[in-house]
Amino acid sequence: NAGVTQTPKFRVLKTGQSMTLLCAQDMNHEYMYWYRQDPGMGLRLIHYSVGEGTTAKGEVPDGYNVSRLKKQNFLLGLESAAPSQTSVYFCASSYKNSNQPQHFGDGTRLSIL
Amino acid sequence: RKEVEQDPGPFNVPEGATVAFNCTYSNSASQSFFWYRQDCRKEPKLLMSVYSSGNEDGRFTAQLNRASQYISLLIRDSKLSDSATYLCVVTQTVPLVFGKGTRLSVIA
Repeated sequence: NAGVTQTPKFRVLKTGQSMTLLCAQDMNHEYMYWYRQDPGMGLRLIHYSVGEGTTAKGEVPDGYNVSRLKKQNFLLGLESAAPSQTSVYFCASSYKNSNQPQHFGDGTRLSIL
Repeated sequence: RKEVEQDPGPFNVPEGATVAFNCTYSNSASQSFFWYRQDCRKEPKLLMSVYSSGNEDGRFTAQLNRASQYISLLIRDSKLSDSATYLCVVTQTVPLVFGKGTRLSVIA
């Protein structure tokens, strides 16, 4: 049972480049989330989804877009990468609603030069 | 007042010690509460849910005080392997709110 899988694990981008982070879960979870974690800032919610075809903004959505075309996948896009987006990105999922515990992927370390 | 606040630590304790962390939250409508553990450069992992009556899992005890709006985590007989950052998590009808974490170092 893979749980929550994130790809890629590491990536280095140049300012202005675009990329997509993929999150896949095999637990049939309805809710999925994207967070970023920076030193001293804790986990901050970027976007989330309460079901296939739905997305919503979190605390820090600017500069990111997301899509949930399939229930098991949640994609995070950076349209034009900036050095301020250098961070560790975590995807998570939960079963039925946000009152359920979340299961996390092992993160994507992204550096923007 | 921030939604969820934790003492960042670090808490440096000897093996075998008992240590307790508190976490305060601002929204009285919060419904669910959790403690997560995060090791350095790893993903957060669920340690335990926190129930209204309090709950215990081995050396770990979690309690909820709704009147004072805080949750606590007690670790007894600390092990070296308990060294990590402990995140408290609070939720209501919107996605979970994570505290910034309390760092624990257990020293031999």
